[in-house]
Amino acid sequence: EVQLVQSGAEVKKPGESLKISCKGSGYSFTNYWIGWVRQMSGKGLEWMGIINPDDSDTRYSPSFQGQVTISVDKSISTAYLQWGSLKASDTAMYYCARGGEYSSSPLFYWGQGTLVTVSS
Amino acid sequence: QSVLTQPPSASGTPGQRVTISCSGSSSNIGSNYVYWYQQLPGTAPKLLIYRNNQRPSGVPDRFSGSKSGTSASLAISGLRSEDEANYYCAAWDDSLSGHVVFGGGTKLTVL
Repeated sequence: EVQLVQSGAEVKKPGESLKISCKGSGYSFTNYWIGWVRQMSGKGLEWMGIINPDDSDTRYSPSFQGQVTISVDKSISTAYLQWGSLKASDTAMYYCARGGEYSSSPLFYWGQGTLVTVSS
Repeated sequence: QSVLTQPPSASGTPGQRVTISCSGSSSNIGSNYVYWYQQLPGTAPKLLIYRNNQRPSGVPDRFSGSKSGTSASLAISGLRSEDEANYYCAAWDDSLSGHVVFGGGTKLTVL
């Protein structure tokens, strides 16, 4: 069974750094792209970027380029989303999802989400 | 402002057929596949339709997708109360090195 298990909820202060994780299991981790999607409270889905776990090729949405970093450690089948300096506007639910063999493939399997709260 | 345009709301009574539209441009829907996601309240999104009109295993055939030019639509027939959810269209966009764009979402209410 394909599973994506995300790290737990985080409460941070503005200016702090953060790295959340997404561990894949039940499939060949390096064969499928993994994407990240933001959902602010009561709002829609926003595609942030996607990474190829095999070679770390990464594509970012123009809206998130330079704002976050997507990475992967294929030795432990885990993808990451990180911020260098959080802002209150980063408060949201973040989902990781497994794509297909191409960066343009749809997101077939989703993690449970990680709620990030940034507040002073 | 989302790149793909969806109506913010739609509604229908049980058993009815409802459609949700999604409008884009030549760089996204016009040249790439359209996907649809369903998000039930308090849960993660779920892929409903891929490659314009394909259903993943387990998705009822009451759900169907179509695409024409730079627009797409999701149809739900035999509406059921459990279909009440938010629905999002998405597509790859070829501009700016390529990225996925989502519609703003449509809240479907089953009356």
